[in-house]
Amino acid sequence: AQTVTQSQPEMSVQEAETVTLSCTYDTSESDYYLFWYKQPPSRQMILVIRQEAYKQQNATENRFSVNFQKAAKSFSLKISDSQLGDAAMYFCAYRSYNTDKLIFGTGTRLQVFP
Amino acid sequence: DAGVIQSPRHEVTEMGQEVTLRCKPISGHDYLFWYRQTMMRGLELLIYFNNNVPIDDSGMPEDRFSAKMPNASFSTLKIQPSEPRDSAVYFCASSFAGYGYTFGSGTRLTVV
Repeated sequence: AQTVTQSQPEMSVQEAETVTLSCTYDTSESDYYLFWYKQPPSRQMILVIRQEAYKQQNATENRFSVNFQKAAKSFSLKISDSQLGDAAMYFCAYRSYNTDKLIFGTGTRLQVFP
Repeated sequence: DAGVIQSPRHEVTEMGQEVTLRCKPISGHDYLFWYRQTMMRGLELLIYFNNNVPIDDSGMPEDRFSAKMPNASFSTLKIQPSEPRDSAVYFCASSFAGYGYTFGSGTRLTVV
């Protein structure tokens, strides 16, 4: 079975600085999707970024980018120019091509200090 | 598009009572998922449907939990009888072809 591990329960960053959140996963599959979701205090789950495993190019969405290392089964999220509104729980998630289930990590709480 | 709509937003009930959570997926989406979020267990998939048919209910904790999707625009998750350990935030999510997931705002359930 696939698993997703987020080893950093909490992270903090100063406004305008850059922070990287770690995620590793375990799978025997070669084709899959990876996601980062943001959950602010409002508890709404918001899709931040998505990566298809067959794509070598790392996905980027404005200030958010990923470092996808397929061989190492690593999928980290980099937030550049951090803003106060980035403070939230961040969840890494995995979805295989064969099933439709989204498997989540335990999350990383990000604090942003002015 | 109004997104995935869940009701109620909050529910407080007494142990032993029946609880029904509701979800309206995004029009045109063919997948619907029910997740539960707790501090101890994180986000767990309970059950999901494809074209209104339950595909995988292996995450449903026990027989007290049941879910239905009578049509493409409505789903319910029922707990009967409810217990304090069922207290959690329950999310509904929908997607098209299992690709992009959109979550509702969740229902915070408290069983006292």
